[in-house]
Amino acid sequence: AQSVTQLDSQVPVFEEAPVELRCNYSSSVSVYLFWYVQYPNQGLQLLLKYLSGSTLVKGINGFEAEFNKSQTSFHLRKPSVHISDTAEYFCAVTISGFQKLVFGTGTRLLVSP
Amino acid sequence: EAQVTQNPRYLITVTGKKLTVTCSQNMNHEYMSWYRQDPGLGLRQIYYSMNVEVTDKGDVPEGYKVSRKEKRNFPLILESPSPNQTSLYFCASSPRDRPYYGYTFGSGTRLTVV
Repeated sequence: AQSVTQLDSQVPVFEEAPVELRCNYSSSVSVYLFWYVQYPNQGLQLLLKYLSGSTLVKGINGFEAEFNKSQTSFHLRKPSVHISDTAEYFCAVTISGFQKLVFGTGTRLLVSP
Repeated sequence: EAQVTQNPRYLITVTGKKLTVTCSQNMNHEYMSWYRQDPGLGLRQIYYSMNVEVTDKGDVPEGYKVSRKEKRNFPLILESPSPNQTSLYFCASSPRDRPYYGYTFGSGTRLTVV
């Protein structure tokens, strides 16, 4: 069965600094990987996804993620964060032929001035 | 606009009083699912449905029921709510057999059981 680990429950960062949110997954077969963002009092919105091909995936709002098969990681990055990026970020995984998305426990990104 | 609509957004109820949280999607998606979100635990799947009249348990189904009589609707039923069901609930949908699509989520229902 697949699983997802987000080691950092909270990441504080100053505005305009770079940030990396870490995600590691466990699966014995090829996976599809996703990052979702949840702004305060809202639902989850898809940031980006990796299906196949290029390991660097670009998403909305300037975020990108890199798939690393050997390290089973899918870390999310942004070179310069804004106050408005303050939110909770969830990494999720599924596999071909399997409908269920398995989520990590989330990382709260706190951007301060 | 393609969306998943949940109602209500907020609900406070008392222990044992039956309640239903509604979920409706307008994208003709076959697959629908309910998750609960708790601090430190992320999102955990409660129930899912692959199509009309086809439902199955997720990881935390105890104390919940669902039904799928129409393709667009997937209500979550708590027959006798208890305080440990206080949580943030999300409904999600996606096309069947396309896991790469990802999910479209509703805005959430914050339930408090006192």
